[in-house]
Amino acid sequence: EPEVTQTPSHQVTQMGQEVILRCVPISNHLYFYWYRQILGQKVEFLVSFYNNEISEKSEIFDDQFSVERPDGSNFTLKIRSTKLEDSAMYFCASRLLGRAPYEQYFGPGTRLTVT
Amino acid sequence: AQSVTQPDIHITVSEGASLELRCNYSYGATPYLFWYVQSPGQGLQLLLKYFSGDTLVQGIKGFEAEFKRSQSSFNLRKPSVHWSDAAEYFCAVEGFGNEKLTFGTGTRLTIIP
Repeated sequence: EPEVTQTPSHQVTQMGQEVILRCVPISNHLYFYWYRQILGQKVEFLVSFYNNEISEKSEIFDDQFSVERPDGSNFTLKIRSTKLEDSAMYFCASRLLGRAPYEQYFGPGTRLTVT
Repeated sequence: AQSVTQPDIHITVSEGASLELRCNYSYGATPYLFWYVQSPGQGLQLLLKYFSGDTLVQGIKGFEAEFKRSQSSFNLRKPSVHWSDAAEYFCAVEGFGNEKLTFGTGTRLTIIP
């Protein structure tokens, strides 16, 4: 069964550094998402992406964040200058295009630790 | 704006006993509803979903959920839990034309022998 993959599984970085989290969505999916889950808290929507542009973003997704689909398979989340509060599990998700509410398929997540 | 409430932070159930996890949502119309499960250190796996039609939906691993419009609820049930069901369970809602999922705070399920 096709699945969403994410790399790395765990990233440790120092405050102020840039990080790029990578995702490979399911191949025929056209909508892509990033969510995050701070330890012990609920999963929160960050951004959705379709047709090479952001469809919607949350208040969390400020100028420090950016997303990109650099090629036909990868979908990346970049945090330009990490803060301690960016420490969280980051989940990538993808879904088919269509009017019906197709389910979102989630990757296993990247745990980001900012020290 | 859509929102989800899961009133139970932690539930402990004996193996073989029945289970019901509560979920209430707030949305102006009929939403799309989902239950996801997260095992420790793992990603989110979809258990079941409700879009329309029959209000009792069946999912994987023997789970089912019932949509009750009058109560704005979408409670998850299982007649007999197994030790492998121990995990965190998240209810989520997606509004029509609104692609993002809004999650509840989750319910941690512990199974005791």
